[in-house]
Amino acid sequence: EAAVTQSPRNKVTVTGGNVTLSCRQTNSHNYMYWYRQDTGHGLRLIHYSYGAGNLQIGDVPDGYKATRTTQEDFFLLLELASPSQTSLYFCASSDPGEDQDTQYFGPGTRLLVL
Amino acid sequence: GDSVTQTEGLVTLTEGLPVMLNCTYQSTYSPFLFWYVQHLNEAPKLLLKSFTDNKRPEHQGFHATLHKSSSSFHLQKSSAQLSDSALYYCALSGAGYQNFYFGKGTSLTVIP
Repeated sequence: EAAVTQSPRNKVTVTGGNVTLSCRQTNSHNYMYWYRQDTGHGLRLIHYSYGAGNLQIGDVPDGYKATRTTQEDFFLLLELASPSQTSLYFCASSDPGEDQDTQYFGPGTRLLVL
Repeated sequence: GDSVTQTEGLVTLTEGLPVMLNCTYQSTYSPFLFWYVQHLNEAPKLLLKSFTDNKRPEHQGFHATLHKSSSSFHLQKSSAQLSDSALYYCALSGAGYQNFYFGKGTSLTVIP
């Protein structure tokens, strides 16, 4: 089974603060994703990447940056956090062509912006 | 464009009654369909996915049939259990991420 880990699991920051969420997968998957989950909206894609150094914009990218430093590591950056970014963030990985692109999720990071 | 629609946001059932969660899709490809389940305070995880040879996938008593004629992949179970209470997402995969979409989810609550 694919393994995806996230850190921190919980984070509290203030408006205007700087936050970095980390994700690591150990299954050599090419694709990695950042989602946010909010009641009534389901999972919404922020950014994704199909390899080290590659970045693609998702459906709700405003206020977020991302960086894929290696095949294993994908980071989500909030440089000026706002209360609207209070959410549950999930990282996922997949490999198109393997398991029909099944996505494997990390445990999530709960972010509170005061 | 491609999309997934889950018409029910909230479903409440009495234990022992059958479960049916609706999922319809729109795709320009011949997609794979998935159901993910997310229990409280957990991550979404794969429940089942469609097969290429039209077999009916089953897992933990749940099953779903891909009907290409009606573009549907409804999730069913003959008898709901309290432990089935969770958030269920239908998802679609075409060719690479560019065609991977989640529905908005259906929250299932099973009561005694």
